Amino acid sequence: IQLTQSPSSLSASVGDRVTITCRASQGISSYLAWYQQKPGKAPKLLIYAASTLQSGVPSRFSGSGSGTDFTLTISSLQPEDFATYYCQQLNSYPRTFGQGTKVEIK
Amino acid sequence: EVQLVESGGGLVQPGGSLRLSCAASGFTFSSYEMNWVRQAPGKGLEWVSYISSSGSTIYYADSVKGRFTISRDNAKNSLYLQMNSLRAEDTAVYYCAREGGSIFALDAFDIWGQGTMVTVSS
Repeated sequence: IQLTQSPSSLSASVGDRVTITCRASQGISSYLAWYQQKPGKAPKLLIYAASTLQSGVPSRFSGSGSGTDFTLTISSLQPEDFATYYCQQLNSYPRTFGQGTKVEIK
Repeated sequence: EVQLVESGGGLVQPGGSLRLSCAASGFTFSSYEMNWVRQAPGKGLEWVSYISSSGSTIYYADSVKGRFTISRDNAKNSLYLQMNSLRAEDTAVYYCAREGGSIFALDAFDIWGQGTMVTVSS
């Protein structure tokens, strides 16, 4: 299963609403997770089961979708949110990741 | 504190071997499925291998199948990745990651180690 994220990168300002999409090449139900990765650090789980917020993750992060189309939304971008975001499918093996979306400061 | 700590990375020549270890602490290791994920310099995340909590079920990415072997020792709270016939394209940071799975109703990689760098070069 291939995952295609869009955009590959974006520039945004603090306070902006940011939306990242992830499209699967075939249906994966709700078996999708979103991760945040900062330079030199391990990925951090943000959302699983497409829309369930991981414990400790700020509520400005939200996820939606099922089947083949999914969305990660940051309602009000904060300085600490500038990072690269990856989606991952856990419907089947291999456990593929999207190519990543880099969120940069405008 | 729930923690995963990888070790064993380093510089190895093409065709060589390396064994990575991942030490788990702060949780019941034997209850969790585990994975290895790698990231080549400047690139995205690539899933490498999976092992079930008992070790009875194993999967590999096609890119490493036949060369890498995942294993675990639940008595030692440790996960391993034996890497043989290494190639330049295996150069990456290797992460171990815990998977909650259906038992914990958390199908995702919720805990990650800090990573260990593997460089394959002559």
